[in-house]
Amino acid sequence: RKEVEQDPGPFNVPEGATVAFNCTYSNSASQSFFWYRQDCRKEPKLLMSVYSSGNEDGRFTAQLNRASQYISLLIRDSKLSDSATYLCVVNTNAGKSTFGDGTTLTVKP
Amino acid sequence: DAGITQSPRHKVTETGTPVTLRCHQTENHRYMYWYRQDPGHGLRLIHYSYGVKDTDKGEVSDGYSVSRSKTEDFLLTLESATSSQTSVYFCAISESGAGGGYTFGSGTRLTVV
Repeated sequence: RKEVEQDPGPFNVPEGATVAFNCTYSNSASQSFFWYRQDCRKEPKLLMSVYSSGNEDGRFTAQLNRASQYISLLIRDSKLSDSATYLCVVNTNAGKSTFGDGTTLTVKP
Repeated sequence: DAGITQSPRHKVTETGTPVTLRCHQTENHRYMYWYRQDPGHGLRLIHYSYGVKDTDKGEVSDGYSVSRSKTEDFLLTLESATSSQTSVYFCAISESGAGGGYTFGSGTRLTVV
């Protein structure tokens, strides 16, 4: 079993839809969590950190569930420009980062 | 965007030859990383640096070496390239380590034939 697992994709949604991705992790000592966005043949870019209390940035909401060991990313009112691969990253307190394989989102007109 | 550049952007090399990839930053960040990205494996850490001349191995370090003689430069060397090292290589920087998030360079697409 991988240390970090993401929802298998691809997700194909119409514009305006709400879509959610989950990312589960196996190491209960994990300390910090992030979501990155990666466009095709580009580098990953930090989308948002994930805080214990949950956090929101415009149409994006990230949540952490420590009891069930997963993080989630919710995108509301999807735009064509949201089409990308979304990577979750889980860090241990020793500074080790584990990346998920990514979930591909395609938003269609 | 943060100042981080990788060179070359693309390279084709022959099996058995040494190859050096360069990462240059203008942010004066302490931490620098080399990752490779392959389908089905996500991003995997090759080596990282926590200061000038301070480096350590990641999970896939075999066949790779690194050097950091200046804060701004982090070099990755494939000592004798193999086809299994065909990949996309990303350099990343961080001000405070993994917990602070990464800024990635644009990547180097390396093909070993």
